[in-house]
Amino acid sequence: EDKVVQSPLSLVVHEGDTVTLNCSYEVTNFRSLLWYKQEKKAPTFLFMLTSSGIEKKSGRLSSILDKKELFSILNITATQTGDSAVYLCAVEALDDMRFGAGTRLTVKP
Amino acid sequence: EPEVTQTPSHQVTQMGQEVILRCVPISNHLYFYWYRQILGQKVEFLVSFYNNEISEKSEIFDDQFSVERPDGSNFTLKIRSTKLEDSAMYFCASRASSGSYEQYFGPGTRLTVT
Repeated sequence: EDKVVQSPLSLVVHEGDTVTLNCSYEVTNFRSLLWYKQEKKAPTFLFMLTSSGIEKKSGRLSSILDKKELFSILNITATQTGDSAVYLCAVEALDDMRFGAGTRLTVKP
Repeated sequence: EPEVTQTPSHQVTQMGQEVILRCVPISNHLYFYWYRQILGQKVEFLVSFYNNEISEKSEIFDDQFSVERPDGSNFTLKIRSTKLEDSAMYFCASRASSGSYEQYFGPGTRLTVT
Protein backbone atom coordinates (compact mmCIF):
# COMPACT_ATOMS: atom_id res chain seq x y z
CA GLU A 1 0.00 0.00 0.00
CA ASP A 2 1.25 3.45 -0.90
CA LYS A 3 2.28 5.56 2.06
CA VAL A 4 3.95 8.83 2.94
CA VAL A 5 5.50 9.21 6.39
CA GLN A 6 6.69 12.47 7.85
CA SER A 7 8.86 13.01 10.88
CA PRO A 8 8.88 14.44 13.37
CA LEU A 9 5.16 14.99 13.90
CA SER A 10 5.84 18.07 15.94
CA LEU A 11 8.79 20.36 16.48
CA VAL A 12 9.27 23.40 18.70
CA VAL A 13 12.28 25.63 18.11
CA HIS A 14 13.39 29.18 18.81
CA GLU A 15 13.81 31.91 16.26
CA GLY A 16 17.10 31.61 14.46
CA ASP A 17 17.31 27.83 14.74
CA THR A 18 17.66 25.60 11.69
CA VAL A 19 15.21 22.74 11.24
CA THR A 20 15.11 19.68 9.03
CA LEU A 21 11.83 18.01 8.24
CA ASN A 22 11.75 14.50 6.85
CA CYS A 23 9.48 12.71 4.43
CA SER A 24 9.80 9.09 3.38
CA TYR A 25 7.54 7.37 0.91
CA GLU A 26 6.57 4.10 -0.66
CA VAL A 27 4.57 4.81 -3.77
CA THR A 28 4.16 2.96 -7.02
CA ASN A 29 4.36 4.99 -10.21
CA PHE A 30 6.09 7.91 -8.52
CA ARG A 31 5.87 11.17 -10.46
CA SER A 32 6.90 13.90 -8.05
CA LEU A 33 7.19 14.90 -4.42
CA LEU A 34 5.78 18.19 -3.28
CA TRP A 35 6.13 20.21 -0.10
CA TYR A 36 3.31 22.43 1.13
CA LYS A 37 2.93 24.83 4.02
CA GLN A 38 -0.43 24.81 5.76
CA GLU A 39 -1.19 27.64 8.13
CA LYS A 40 -4.85 28.29 8.78
CA LYS A 41 -6.58 26.72 5.84
CA ALA A 42 -5.44 25.58 2.41
CA PRO A 43 -1.96 24.24 1.76
CA THR A 44 0.31 26.59 -0.18
CA PHE A 45 2.90 25.20 -2.52
CA LEU A 46 6.58 25.35 -1.61
CA PHE A 47 8.56 22.96 -3.81
CA MET A 48 8.16 20.25 -6.36
CA LEU A 49 10.92 17.66 -6.71
CA THR A 50 11.23 15.11 -9.45
CA SER A 51 14.95 14.41 -9.74
CA SER A 52 17.33 13.03 -7.13
CA GLY A 53 20.10 15.16 -5.72
CA ILE A 54 19.02 18.51 -7.12
CA GLU A 55 18.41 21.01 -4.36
CA LYS A 56 15.54 23.41 -4.72
CA LYS A 57 15.95 26.66 -2.85
CA SER A 58 13.68 29.55 -2.02
CA GLY A 59 15.03 32.06 0.45
CA ARG A 60 15.63 30.30 3.74
CA LEU A 61 13.90 27.13 2.59
CA SER A 62 15.52 24.34 0.64
CA SER A 63 14.62 20.79 -0.23
CA ILE A 64 16.19 17.76 -1.82
CA LEU A 65 14.95 14.37 -2.98
CA ASP A 66 16.63 10.97 -2.83
CA LYS A 67 14.78 8.61 -5.15
CA LYS A 68 17.00 5.69 -4.32
CA GLU A 69 16.37 5.85 -0.58
CA LEU A 70 12.83 7.20 -1.13
CA PHE A 71 12.94 10.28 1.04
CA SER A 72 13.07 14.02 0.95
CA ILE A 73 14.08 16.67 3.44
CA LEU A 74 12.92 20.23 3.85
CA ASN A 75 15.38 22.58 5.54
CA ILE A 76 14.51 25.93 7.03
CA THR A 77 17.41 28.08 8.21
CA ALA A 78 17.22 31.07 10.54
CA THR A 79 13.62 30.25 11.42
CA GLN A 80 11.14 33.03 12.14
CA THR A 81 7.84 32.99 14.00
CA GLY A 82 6.10 33.30 10.64
CA ASP A 83 7.46 29.88 9.72
CA SER A 84 5.14 28.34 12.32
CA ALA A 85 2.81 26.06 10.35
CA VAL A 86 2.17 22.46 9.43
CA TYR A 87 4.50 21.34 6.64
CA LEU A 88 2.99 18.72 4.39
CA CYS A 89 4.80 16.33 2.12
CA ALA A 90 2.79 14.90 -0.77
CA VAL A 91 3.73 12.34 -3.36
CA GLU A 92 2.09 12.35 -6.72
CA ALA A 93 1.60 9.01 -8.45
CA LEU A 94 -0.19 8.95 -11.80
CA ASP A 95 -3.36 10.85 -10.99
CA ASP A 96 -3.60 10.82 -7.25
CA MET A 97 -1.64 12.53 -4.57
CA ARG A 98 -0.95 11.12 -1.13
CA PHE A 99 -0.18 13.40 1.77
CA GLY A 100 1.80 12.68 4.87
CA ALA A 101 0.37 13.57 8.25
CA GLY A 102 2.49 16.70 8.35
CA THR A 103 5.05 18.14 10.73
CA ARG A 104 3.75 20.87 13.01
CA LEU A 105 6.51 23.43 13.41
CA THR A 106 6.27 26.01 16.16
CA VAL A 107 8.87 28.77 16.20
CA LYS A 108 9.03 30.66 19.48
CA PRO A 109 10.37 34.20 19.70
CA GLU B 1 -2.96 36.50 -9.53
CA PRO B 2 -5.49 33.82 -10.52
CA GLU B 3 -6.75 31.65 -7.71
CA VAL B 4 -9.06 28.78 -6.99
CA THR B 5 -12.23 29.85 -5.21
CA GLN B 6 -14.67 27.75 -3.21
CA THR B 7 -18.15 28.36 -1.89
CA PRO B 8 -19.50 28.30 0.69
CA SER B 9 -16.70 28.79 3.18
CA HIS B 10 -18.69 26.99 5.86
CA GLN B 11 -21.78 24.82 5.57
CA VAL B 12 -23.74 23.19 8.35
CA THR B 13 -26.15 20.45 7.38
CA GLN B 14 -28.20 17.74 9.03
CA MET B 15 -27.29 14.09 8.71
CA GLY B 16 -28.92 12.54 5.66
CA GLN B 17 -29.10 15.77 3.70
CA GLU B 18 -27.43 16.30 0.36
CA VAL B 19 -24.77 18.96 -0.01
CA ILE B 20 -23.05 20.43 -3.03
CA LEU B 21 -19.67 22.05 -2.59
CA ARG B 22 -18.63 24.39 -5.33
CA CYS B 23 -15.25 25.25 -6.75
CA VAL B 24 -14.11 27.55 -9.50
CA PRO B 25 -10.68 26.36 -10.66
CA ILE B 26 -8.14 28.61 -12.34
CA SER B 27 -9.50 29.30 -15.79
CA ASN B 28 -6.94 27.63 -18.07
CA HIS B 29 -6.39 24.61 -15.83
CA LEU B 30 -7.31 21.17 -17.07
CA TYR B 31 -7.01 18.87 -14.06
CA PHE B 32 -9.24 19.15 -11.01
CA TYR B 33 -9.12 17.53 -7.61
CA TRP B 34 -11.05 17.23 -4.38
CA TYR B 35 -9.39 16.54 -1.05
CA ARG B 36 -10.72 16.43 2.47
CA GLN B 37 -9.12 17.04 5.83
CA ILE B 38 -10.91 15.87 8.94
CA LEU B 39 -10.05 18.14 11.84
CA GLY B 40 -6.65 17.26 13.24
CA GLN B 41 -5.96 14.65 10.59
CA LYS B 42 -4.07 14.57 7.33
CA VAL B 43 -5.18 15.76 3.94
CA GLU B 44 -6.78 12.88 2.01
CA PHE B 45 -7.20 12.56 -1.72
CA LEU B 46 -10.78 11.99 -2.88
CA VAL B 47 -10.91 12.25 -6.66
CA SER B 48 -9.24 13.65 -9.75
CA PHE B 49 -11.06 14.80 -12.86
CA TYR B 50 -9.83 15.41 -16.37
CA ASN B 51 -11.52 15.76 -19.73
CA ASN B 52 -14.97 15.62 -18.16
CA GLU B 53 -14.47 12.35 -16.41
CA ILE B 54 -13.05 10.92 -13.22
CA SER B 55 -9.46 9.80 -13.78
CA GLU B 56 -8.74 8.46 -10.31
CA LYS B 57 -10.64 8.07 -7.06
CA SER B 58 -9.74 6.88 -3.60
CA GLU B 59 -11.47 4.31 -1.44
CA ILE B 60 -13.12 7.19 0.44
CA PHE B 61 -14.93 8.30 -2.70
CA ASP B 62 -17.81 5.82 -2.55
CA ASP B 63 -21.26 5.92 -4.11
CA GLN B 64 -22.46 8.77 -1.94
CA PHE B 65 -19.97 11.10 -3.63
CA SER B 66 -20.10 12.47 -7.14
CA VAL B 67 -18.34 15.21 -9.05
CA GLU B 68 -19.44 17.30 -11.96
CA ARG B 69 -18.23 20.08 -14.16
CA PRO B 70 -21.63 21.45 -15.17
CA ASP B 71 -20.29 24.36 -17.19
CA GLY B 72 -16.93 25.74 -18.25
CA SER B 73 -16.04 27.15 -14.88
CA ASN B 74 -17.56 25.29 -11.93
CA PHE B 75 -16.40 21.99 -10.47
CA THR B 76 -18.72 20.54 -7.85
CA LEU B 77 -18.58 17.81 -5.24
CA LYS B 78 -21.94 16.35 -4.21
CA ILE B 79 -22.41 14.29 -1.11
CA ARG B 80 -25.76 12.56 -1.41
CA SER B 81 -26.67 11.58 2.12
CA THR B 82 -24.30 13.14 4.57
CA LYS B 83 -23.02 11.29 7.62
CA LEU B 84 -21.49 12.69 10.78
CA GLU B 85 -18.09 11.43 9.67
CA ASP B 86 -18.28 13.56 6.51
CA SER B 87 -17.60 16.60 8.68
CA ALA B 88 -14.31 17.93 7.39
CA MET B 89 -12.62 20.65 5.43
CA TYR B 90 -12.99 20.00 1.71
CA PHE B 91 -10.35 21.44 -0.58
CA CYS B 92 -10.56 21.82 -4.31
CA ALA B 93 -7.36 22.06 -6.35
CA SER B 94 -6.53 22.54 -10.00
CA ARG B 95 -3.49 21.98 -12.18
CA ALA B 96 -2.60 23.47 -15.50
CA SER B 97 -1.42 20.56 -17.63
CA SER B 98 0.21 17.15 -17.58
CA GLY B 99 3.63 18.83 -17.66
CA SER B 100 3.01 20.89 -14.56
CA TYR B 101 2.67 19.08 -11.25
CA GLU B 102 1.84 22.05 -9.08
CA GLN B 103 -1.69 21.97 -7.76
CA TYR B 104 -3.25 25.19 -6.61
CA PHE B 105 -5.57 24.78 -3.66
CA GLY B 106 -8.73 26.71 -2.93
CA PRO B 107 -9.40 28.08 0.56
CA GLY B 108 -11.62 25.14 1.45
CA THR B 109 -15.21 24.60 2.56
CA ARG B 110 -15.76 23.56 6.14
CA LEU B 111 -18.62 21.06 6.22
CA THR B 112 -20.24 20.35 9.55
CA VAL B 113 -22.79 17.54 9.68
CA THR B 114 -25.00 17.53 12.76
